Amino acid sequence: NAGVTQTPKFQVLKTGQSMTLQCAQDMNHNSMYWYRQDPGMGLRLIYYSASEGTTDKGEVPNGYNVSRLNKREFSLRLESAAPSQTSVYFCASRTQGTGNTIYFGEGSWLTVV
Amino acid sequence: QQQVKQSPQSLIVQKGGISIINCAYENTAFDYFPWYQQFPGKGPALLIAIRPDVSEKKEGRFTISFNKSAKQFSLHIMDSQPGDSATYFCAASMENGGFKTIFGAGTRLFVKA
Repeated sequence: NAGVTQTPKFQVLKTGQSMTLQCAQDMNHNSMYWYRQDPGMGLRLIYYSASEGTTDKGEVPNGYNVSRLNKREFSLRLESAAPSQTSVYFCASRTQGTGNTIYFGEGSWLTVV
Repeated sequence: QQQVKQSPQSLIVQKGGISIINCAYENTAFDYFPWYQQFPGKGPALLIAIRPDVSEKKEGRFTISFNKSAKQFSLHIMDSQPGDSATYFCAASMENGGFKTIFGAGTRLFVKA
């Protein structure tokens, strides 16, 4: 099982450039998430999609946009990258009902110079 | 209301010792408390979880202790092994009606051989 797959794994951007992080899950989960991980800050929620066709802001949405393309895919876009967006980004999906287990991708390392 | 506070930030334990990581939450609506384990270069993965109707849950060498009145819970790793060296995140969520999982800042555990 592939689980949650995200691309690219590594990316270096110049300030002001744009890019899209792609994510797909094959577990038929309704809910999908984008988190960023920074040292000492834990995992902070950027955006989430409770179900296909809906998206909502998390704790740190500024500078990002998302698209829930279909049930499987949830992309994160940086329109004008800033050095403060240098981080590790994780896509995730979640089971429904009891348990609420979150399944994470392997991460995308983004550096903005 | 939404915060989950985790301590310590880092922890060094001798092989065979007990590792203890503590978390506190504020929102009494949370009813599911998972712990995630993250190895370098990987995404976090569910380790063990507890609901507030029990005070303790044990799975192998890993135990969660839960104190509902104090709004605190902790992870105990018995007989810690070098292979347990990882970052551990506590988290809190609502099983019904909520789609967000709030994570603590993480604890980097190093087990010395």
